[in-house]
Amino acid sequence: ETGVTQTPRHLVMGMTNKKSLKCEQHLGHNAMYWYKQSAKKPLELMFVYNFKEQTENNSVPSRFSPECPNSSHLFLHLHTLQPEDSALYLCASSQDPGGDYNEQFFGPGTRLTVL
Amino acid sequence: GQNIDQPTEMTATEGAIVQINCTYQTSGFNGLFWYQQHAGEAPTFLSYNVLDGLEEKGRFSSFLSRSKGYSYLLLKELQMKDSASYLCAVTDSNYQLIWGAGTKLIIKP
Repeated sequence: ETGVTQTPRHLVMGMTNKKSLKCEQHLGHNAMYWYKQSAKKPLELMFVYNFKEQTENNSVPSRFSPECPNSSHLFLHLHTLQPEDSALYLCASSQDPGGDYNEQFFGPGTRLTVL
Repeated sequence: GQNIDQPTEMTATEGAIVQINCTYQTSGFNGLFWYQQHAGEAPTFLSYNVLDGLEEKGRFSSFLSRSKGYSYLLLKELQMKDSASYLCAVTDSNYQLIWGAGTKLIIKP
């Protein structure tokens, strides 16, 4: 595997389900990110981890729970979601989150549909 | 507040040239990125500007004017595979990436 991988690619869940999204980066980067992408809206930064420590949590509802066991893996645990949470969830990684050149490398995303 | 504006959608003809504009109002500026995103795929890096002027990379060029809070992405010799969304993002004074909503580019034969 190369780059940033995400599983599953597609997920349909009911509002009472619990599921998890997985992200893995094979680039040796120090930082990992979760973004929400909705149609015709800017990417919304949800969480940032730098060296496994959470550094950003942009007022995300508690029904989204991130986990970063090491610098290469990132999870997003989902429970009791709402239909408006349906979106593309993108994972990204970067080498230097505190610098001006912070090129981020993205995974292909998980298309989430909440029924 | 922080804001990045891009046109929602543009249409161009194969073989032609298209310019996608991006204007920004952010708290500070530490660089501007352009990403390409094909439908259902990951955004991929295209270009980075931190100083005023034009950066050329093959068929793609990106221009920056910091005094005007303005950038554009210029695509030459358009190909059908260039049909995608183009995302503009600015690094602010806190080194956070602020994203535009993206411009969907449709290429017609």
